[in-house]
Amino acid sequence: EMQLVESGGGLFRPGRSLKISCAASGGSLGDLVVSWVRQKPGRGLDLVAFIRSKRFGETTYSAASVTGRVSISRDVSTGSVYLQVNSLQTDDTGVYYCATTKEGAGRYYYYGMDVWGQGTTVTVS
Amino acid sequence: SYDVTQPLSVSVALGQTAKITCGGDKIGGKNVHWYQQRPGQAPILVIFRDNNRPSGISERFFGSNSGHVATLTITKVQAGDEAVYHCHVWDTTTAIFGGGTTLTVL
Repeated sequence: EMQLVESGGGLFRPGRSLKISCAASGGSLGDLVVSWVRQKPGRGLDLVAFIRSKRFGETTYSAASVTGRVSISRDVSTGSVYLQVNSLQTDDTGVYYCATTKEGAGRYYYYGMDVWGQGTTVTVS
Repeated sequence: SYDVTQPLSVSVALGQTAKITCGGDKIGGKNVHWYQQRPGQAPILVIFRDNNRPSGISERFFGSNSGHVATLTITKVQAGDEAVYHCHVWDTTTAIFGGGTTLTVL
């Protein structure tokens, strides 16, 4: 069974950048959609960005609220997925989860996010 | 952009049936997924594509979706079901989550 581990969170100053990573054990992320989902304290879940599988071109998408400040990428050598957020704002504070979704025949919308990491906490202050 | 709406909270007596709704314009035409999130833990997928249970999820969890409302039903509610439940749809090139519903077991 695949497990995900996020790392790279911490305390950051406004205006700086961060790069957090999502590593998998017990499986490969290459055939899956990988999403970064943020949860602000006491709030619901918000998609930050996601990247499609290699088979579907590793196309990336980001939320309108962060477009232009975030990039999501895969590293072939490590098999990990990364999220970089630039020009950090206090509003970026929260727990960042990575999660995977199957992408059978490209229809990722058929599936929910079935594997989640434990999250990494980002505080911008 | 597409929006989905959940009630902030639902209360149910132990052993009874809980229903949590997720409303959205013609949501019946979309695939709705549901997550359970206990305090301090990551979400867990409990229903995908409206009414499908992932392996390992109790048969007490059911999903339905029609018209403008999707519903998560939990039968014979247990104390361990107390959690926040989130609905989720993929909309074109983004993922939309409801605000989450806190289920309290009385």
